[in-house]
Amino acid sequence: EVQLVESGGGLVQPGRSLKLSCLASGFTFSNYGMNWIRQAPGKGLEWVASISSSSSYIYYADTVKGRFTISRDNAKNTLYLQMTSLRSEDTALYYCASYYFDYWGQGVMVTVSS
Amino acid sequence: DIVMTQGVLPNPVPSGESASITCRSSKSLVYKDGKTYLNWFLQRPGQSPQLLTYWMSTRASGVSDRFSGSGSGTYFTLKISRVRAEDAGVYYCQQVREYPRTFGGGTKLELK
Repeated sequence: EVQLVESGGGLVQPGRSLKLSCLASGFTFSNYGMNWIRQAPGKGLEWVASISSSSSYIYYADTVKGRFTISRDNAKNTLYLQMTSLRSEDTALYYCASYYFDYWGQGVMVTVSS
Repeated sequence: DIVMTQGVLPNPVPSGESASITCRSSKSLVYKDGKTYLNWFLQRPGQSPQLLTYWMSTRASGVSDRFSGSGSGTYFTLKISRVRAEDAGVYYCQQVREYPRTFGGGTKLELK
């Protein structure tokens, strides 16, 4: 059974940093690209970033480019999202999802507030 | 960026009736391989999104045949036949033709 489990969320002050993790199991993680998607409270879905299986190709939404970094450790079956210079508008539930968006985690909440 | 625009449903929808959700893209989602790179998702209250269809009309694994996707290069429809209680939630279209991947704003389906 495919499982994606996010962790690392919490309350953080504006301008600070936070690193999210997504532990994958049930499939050969190193063979697939991955995505991060977020959803602000009461709002729709926003794609954040994608990374290819070998980290050769990386893409970001303009809203996070230069502040967020997506990465992965295939030996640990883990996807990451390093978030810096956080803003109140980054407050959201962050999901990791498989390359084809056919598997999603349960999401992890990030709240940016002073 | 490709802008995805979703229509509104005349809610609530009577149980057992059919419902059609529309989505429009600002650019053709047909790639040179002939496939149309359009996904549909359902997000039930309090749950993560669930992929329903990909390549515009191919149902994802385990998805009921009551869900059917159709359309052209820029105009798409998700039809739900014989609507049931578990179909309630917010439906999203998404283009995966190019980066950045973009979602529509969502269409809420409520049942009577």
